[in-house]
Amino acid sequence: DAGVIQSPRHEVTEMGQEVTLRCKPISGHDYLFWYRQTMMRGLELLIYFNNNVPIDDSGMPEDRFSAKMPNASFSTLKIQPSEPRDSAVYFCASSYYYTGELFFGEGSRLTVL
Amino acid sequence: AQKITQTQPGMFVQEKEAVTLDCTYDTSDQSYGLFWYKQPSSGEMIFLIYQGSYDEQNATEGRYSLNFQKARKSANLVISASQLGDSAMYFCAMREALRTGGNEKLTFGTGTRLTIIP
Repeated sequence: DAGVIQSPRHEVTEMGQEVTLRCKPISGHDYLFWYRQTMMRGLELLIYFNNNVPIDDSGMPEDRFSAKMPNASFSTLKIQPSEPRDSAVYFCASSYYYTGELFFGEGSRLTVL
Repeated sequence: AQKITQTQPGMFVQEKEAVTLDCTYDTSDQSYGLFWYKQPSSGEMIFLIYQGSYDEQNATEGRYSLNFQKARKSANLVISASQLGDSAMYFCAMREALRTGGNEKLTFGTGTRLTIIP
């Protein structure tokens, strides 16, 4: 079975550019989470969805960040405009309501120059 | 206030010894789940073990066991017979309001870097 699929795995961009990160959750999972990991701040929850509906976006750092989940099999995290401090590994994770365990993608490593 | 506290930033353990990684948590929910994840140097997050707040028995998965002390709000991970491949970052996490329709976000601790010495 395919796990959580994220793309791109690595992204290097220049300050001011738009960045779009993509995630395909595990089929049948009804929760989807976006996390950001940095050395300074550890793993931070940015936003999570339940049945494609955003439930808690209090972790989204600024209006430059936005996330969508147009259907059960796809989500995007967009940063516009990007800044060097956005450099991090962005993880997408999904879970099934009953079991609670989160399955993580391999992460997207973003470097903003 | 921190929801999940891991007080050991780093640990060095001799190969084949058992190791305990500490985790304390804070919640007012009755229904919650506690998780441990391993993150090797390659970066992926690997699920290790889960303990539900209503589970009376401590969870075990192979060489991993979770020492759950509900009254003390602790959920320590015990790795028996450590191996070189156990060297990694270990994160404790809590998911509150599990299956009760509340805000079910998963909150992570700051992690413990475990190094196994040959």
